[in-house]
Amino acid sequence: EVRLVESGGGLVQPGRSLRLSCAASGFTFDDYAMHWVRQAPGKGLEWVSGISWNSGSVGYADSVKGRFTISRDNAKNSLYLQMNSLSAEDTAFYFCAKDSFPIFFGHGAFDIWGQGTMVSVSS
Amino acid sequence: DIQLTQSPSSLSASVGDRVTITCRASQSISGYLNWYQQTPGKAPKLLIYAASTLPSGVPSRFSGSGSGTDFTLTITSLQPEDFATYYCQQSYSTPFPFGPGTKVDIK
Repeated sequence: EVRLVESGGGLVQPGRSLRLSCAASGFTFDDYAMHWVRQAPGKGLEWVSGISWNSGSVGYADSVKGRFTISRDNAKNSLYLQMNSLSAEDTAFYFCAKDSFPIFFGHGAFDIWGQGTMVSVSS
Repeated sequence: DIQLTQSPSSLSASVGDRVTITCRASQSISGYLNWYQQTPGKAPKLLIYAASTLPSGVPSRFSGSGSGTDFTLTITSLQPEDFATYYCQQSYSTPFPFGPGTKVDIK
């Protein structure tokens, strides 16, 4: 079964850091680009970041550039999102998603999604 | 950056109805437009990619069309499980914004 499972969410104070993980199974992880997408409570979907199959190319939304870092460990079939300098505007469900292409800017689609992990930023 | 708009933002329909949702891009994105379906409390699900291609397992009552800046998602005969929010997304260039969504609920 193709599966993505996120973890690492929780309640964090403004200005602090958090690291999200996404464990992949059921497909050849290092054949595909991966992404993080977030959804604030009651709001729409926002693409956060993407990374190509070999980590050679990464991209970020302007809203997180310079604060968030995406990475992957193909040996562990895992995707990560290091989030620094968190603010209330970062409060959201964070989904990891598999791209249908090896490179994140390859005109693909997000064909597999995890169930998400909630990040709440509050004092 | 490319912006996406969707219309309508919401609609009420009955089982068996034909439903059409449109997505417009602020500049040409060729055919690089995807559609997703999301039900409350669940992750989004890929419904259509590259404007008109259905992934395996998606019912044939769903169809997509368009190119350039104007795209359409059509559900030919609405089923109870289709009441959800639908998002378009462009994969032409980064960032990869989603449209604001169209909520389809029961009339």
